[in-house]
Amino acid sequence: AQSVTQLGSHVSVSEGALVLLRCNYSSSVPPYLFWYVQYPNQGLQLLLKYTTGATLVKGINGFEAEFKKSETSFHLTKPSAHMSDAAEYFCAVSAFNFGNEKLTFGTGTRLTIIP
Amino acid sequence: ETGVTQTPRHLVMGMTNKKSLKCEQHLGHNAMYWYKQSAKKPLELMFVYSLEERVENNSVPSRFSPECPNSSHLFLHLHTLQPEDSALYLCASSQGGGRSNTEAFFGQGTRLTVV
Repeated sequence: AQSVTQLGSHVSVSEGALVLLRCNYSSSVPPYLFWYVQYPNQGLQLLLKYTTGATLVKGINGFEAEFKKSETSFHLTKPSAHMSDAAEYFCAVSAFNFGNEKLTFGTGTRLTIIP
Repeated sequence: ETGVTQTPRHLVMGMTNKKSLKCEQHLGHNAMYWYKQSAKKPLELMFVYSLEERVENNSVPSRFSPECPNSSHLFLHLHTLQPEDSALYLCASSQGGGRSNTEAFFGQGTRLTVV
């Protein structure tokens, strides 16, 4: 079984400030981890993913995330927030299940950027 | 066309109507998914098709009926829906085949309103 917890359903940061969105996961097997972004009335778009190898993963739009196995975390960060970053962000975990891939999503974090 | 395309983008239907949602992917993937996204709820996986066979049905009511005629197309047939079925319905595809380290690609969704 696998699950994802996103701490904070709403996060507000000032333009130019650090963005930190938290994600903790639970998985009985080595997980694959993803961050998706959703703009209003749009589908989900992949920001970045961790599969194996380097634990610091860089994605699009200046975002990055670090896989910390000891903390079962995969927090998303961006050094300097931009107005265009306002959106909803979803963390997801996937685990091999003998051909039946199953992405489990967190409840999402709505990011607001304050001018 | 590229990616995952869903039609229609918006749909209003009465509780006695029958309608269908369509999804088409141009990515050569062999797994397709239907998700339901309701306000203040996590993304709910409804159906998974892998190689055109349904591999998962997460206890979805029978008023939702999926169809996958080939690996590029996925339908969701709707009949006698309830107002609580109003939501954003998202289609996704992935490479599947046991490779759960590959991400899902999402369509823009169909905003369904049941009146």
